[in-house]
Amino acid sequence: EDQVTQSPEALRLQEGESSSLNCSYTVSGLRGLFWYRQDPGKGPEFLFTLYSAGEEKEKERLKATLTKKESFLHITAPKPEDSATYLCAVQAAGSARQLTFGSGTQLTVLP
Amino acid sequence: NAGVTQTPKFQVLKTGQSMTLQCAQDMNHEYMSWYRQDPGMGLRLIHYSVGAGITDQGEVPNGYNVSRSTTEDFPLRLLSAAPSQTSVYFCASSKRETYYNEQFFGPGTRLTVL
Repeated sequence: EDQVTQSPEALRLQEGESSSLNCSYTVSGLRGLFWYRQDPGKGPEFLFTLYSAGEEKEKERLKATLTKKESFLHITAPKPEDSATYLCAVQAAGSARQLTFGSGTQLTVLP
Repeated sequence: NAGVTQTPKFQVLKTGQSMTLQCAQDMNHEYMSWYRQDPGMGLRLIHYSVGAGITDQGEVPNGYNVSRSTTEDFPLRLLSAAPSQTSVYFCASSKRETYYNEQFFGPGTRLTVL
């Protein structure tokens, strides 16, 4: 069974204090790993897709990396507007349609 | 473009009642999906559709029906509501060739079943 575990569940940072969110996964052949951002009361918003170990993607203050067992979302010098829940999801090679989501990391950036 | 729209935003039902959650998209996307989001459990796929007239079950389909008569609309029907169906429901859509890369989610429907 595919599993995705995100840690920590919640993270509070001061503005400018860099950190990383973790997504550990167990899947029978990874087809893709996805990061989404979700603001309170809204639907998830797509951020990145990673396909193979060693791959990195960047967007503004966010950088996502991938190894064979986990992915990290690095946040450099965060701002209060980066506060949100960050979701990780995986698609298994044998699963044509289904994503397995983690329960998310709730990030709060204090001014 | 309005993107993905969902109605209603909030709904309270009594056990045994039925209702339909509406979802529409104006981006001419082939793929549409329904998810439920529960605290501590992440998003789980209920049903999905790869085009008009074609639907399939996801991870947690029991108690829900879907149909896709047009490209734009993908309603989710609760046949006989149960307290276990209390959740936030999200509809999502994407182009065929970028099925997971760019899924666009609606704002959600928060459903409470008493």
